[in-house]
Amino acid sequence: DIQMAQSPSTLSASVGDRVIITCRASQSINTWLAWYQQKPGKAPKLLMYKASSLESGVPSRFSGSGSGTEFTLTISSLQPDDFATYYCQQYNYYSTFGPGTKVDLK
Amino acid sequence: EVHLVESGGGLVQPGGSLRLSCSASGFIFSNCAMHWVRQAPGKGLEYVSGISSSGSGSYADAVKGRFTISRDNSKNTLFLQMSSLRAEDTALYYCVKGGQGDMIMVADSWGQGTLVTVSS
Repeated sequence: DIQMAQSPSTLSASVGDRVIITCRASQSINTWLAWYQQKPGKAPKLLMYKASSLESGVPSRFSGSGSGTEFTLTISSLQPDDFATYYCQQYNYYSTFGPGTKVDLK
Repeated sequence: EVHLVESGGGLVQPGGSLRLSCSASGFIFSNCAMHWVRQAPGKGLEYVSGISSSGSGSYADAVKGRFTISRDNSKNTLFLQMSSLRAEDTALYYCVKGGQGDMIMVADSWGQGTLVTVSS
């Protein structure tokens, strides 16, 4: 099984900050990685797929990079709507989600 | 617009069974892979099971042999038959639509979930 790790588990930031979340896979997954955003009481929402492709309708302040085992999700300028929990998902071999990174207000 | 509505959740005793349903609309259901993803209270996301457009199913190790995924393309409905339920199966179960091509395992649309509670 492919295991996913995310860091940090919690990130405290202010509006306007540049935010970077890291996701690591236990073995190479090429670029078969997606990112999701989940707000309290809501279903997750797809943000990125294939590591760096932006889902339609997602603001361009979100970007993704990486390949192999290490990936990042960057929010260039954090907005009030971005406070949420973010999950990575590998889909190279079946599917595994990371444990999540909560972005909260500093 | 894609619309996914789950039903069938509830309280069940350990060892019991439950059948979840997901009614889909707004897309060509028969062309899409579909999945179930669960989230235990206060915890992260966990992939449970998926079924291809042709009906081939796959399962996470945690549910293999206990859960069965199926679909009725004539009724645009996805099912998850759960048996031998355990306390650790307690979670909100999301119905998820897969993408196309190399994105079939990517969850591009989610329902609002149905809560399964396993407790005596």
